[in-house]
Amino acid sequence: DSGVTQTPKHLITATGQRVTLRCSPRSGDLSVYWYQQSLDQGLQFLIQYYNGEERAKGNILERFSAQQFPDLHSELNLSSLELGDSALYFCASKSGGSHTGELFFGEGSRLTVL
Amino acid sequence: GDSVTQMEGPVTLSEEACLTINCTYTATGYPSLFWYVQYPGEGLQLLLKATKADDKGSNKGFEATYRKETTSFHLEKGSVQVSDSAVYFCALMNTGNQFYFGTGTSLTVIP
Repeated sequence: DSGVTQTPKHLITATGQRVTLRCSPRSGDLSVYWYQQSLDQGLQFLIQYYNGEERAKGNILERFSAQQFPDLHSELNLSSLELGDSALYFCASKSGGSHTGELFFGEGSRLTVL
Repeated sequence: GDSVTQMEGPVTLSEEACLTINCTYTATGYPSLFWYVQYPGEGLQLLLKATKADDKGSNKGFEATYRKETTSFHLEKGSVQVSDSAVYFCALMNTGNQFYFGTGTSLTVIP
């Protein structure tokens, strides 16, 4: 158990809909990272937060947004869903301020868009 | 920009065979290097790491040495087991705490 909790584990929805994925980082970790894993594109970095503030943005679509709340949990919002958004979405957390830290991953949320 | 390139798979080996998965990186400064493993249906788990040149990370019989002169961090194991079947990811963390992952290498070990 990594200590990172993601919900829901599985989600099936239709094109055009909107979903919210939730992540609770390890206790005390200030940084949250979101990744998308699809069969043909490997692990793609979406966005990073540190203590409530956005720190870095990767290949995140404009239809996607995220935020980190004061209690450090994070949500990834996916809207106007397309078939190609079907993927595993991982959240990872890292202790703050340590150059030698590593990422701890949740088990992922599997999104299927029909 | 920073990046990681790792050997493409899939790789299929017989039990007790030797494993090498190549990984090279591009980064400014002195990144930390990692190998993560993903078992079927699970998230990524840290396998080993190295934070400076010539460091050797090791865990569960796997080893990797941080080679700055060749910008490499190859994963090795002398004798693989069926339970090692998984996808392996090489990654780096730069000085800005940003992580870059390779595309993953799928390993299947057959009895």
